[in-house]
Amino acid sequence: AQRVTQPEKLLSVFKGAPVELKCNYSYSGSPELFWYVQYSRQRLQLLLRHISRESIKGFTADLNKGETSFHLKKPFAQEEDSAMYYCALTPHSGGYQKVTFGTGTKLQVIP
Amino acid sequence: NAGVMQNPRHLVRRRGQEARLRCSPMKGHSHVYWYRQLPEEGLKFMVYLQKENIIDESGMPKERFSAEFPKEGPSILRIQQVVRGDSAAYFCASSPGLGLAGSNEQFFGPGTRLTVL
Repeated sequence: AQRVTQPEKLLSVFKGAPVELKCNYSYSGSPELFWYVQYSRQRLQLLLRHISRESIKGFTADLNKGETSFHLKKPFAQEEDSAMYYCALTPHSGGYQKVTFGTGTKLQVIP
Repeated sequence: NAGVMQNPRHLVRRRGQEARLRCSPMKGHSHVYWYRQLPEEGLKFMVYLQKENIIDESGMPKERFSAEFPKEGPSILRIQQVVRGDSAAYFCASSPGLGLAGSNEQFFGPGTRLTVL
């Protein structure tokens, strides 16, 4: 079974401070991991995916298979980063792939 | 491409009435997913559909809830005899569903906020 755990419901940091949003997963095979973001009054949108190894808006995330983690990091938080962040997982294979979302972490950047 | 469309954006129903939520996927997308977000909680998967087929409804309550994605027209999530506990945001997402690894990005609609009085 697939499972995604985001242990923090709320994370408050000061502007300019480093940010780390935690995500741990449980899946026996090879997963594909994503981070989605939902800004206030906007729709959920893809922030980044591990296979592309991109840095979006200064955010990065590295898949650590040993620790089964996919933490989202940013060295210096900005006020516009305040949003709801969801970690998600899907099997890395063809055919139907159910996406499992974590419960989300609300990031609050304090000016 | 207008993106995933959902309507209505807000829906108010009294207990016992029916709620119909519509989702038009992005152009060219043949896979639709429905999620429910209760207040202060994360997204919970409900159902996954392809055109005219329900592929996975493991997250959908067995009673009162149904979903369809007809050959023509939008996907419909239908809730019969609504109760207060059905009040939530219902999100639809679509994907191209090419069946290839790496094609699982889901594009979300703005959601429908259902309030049951």
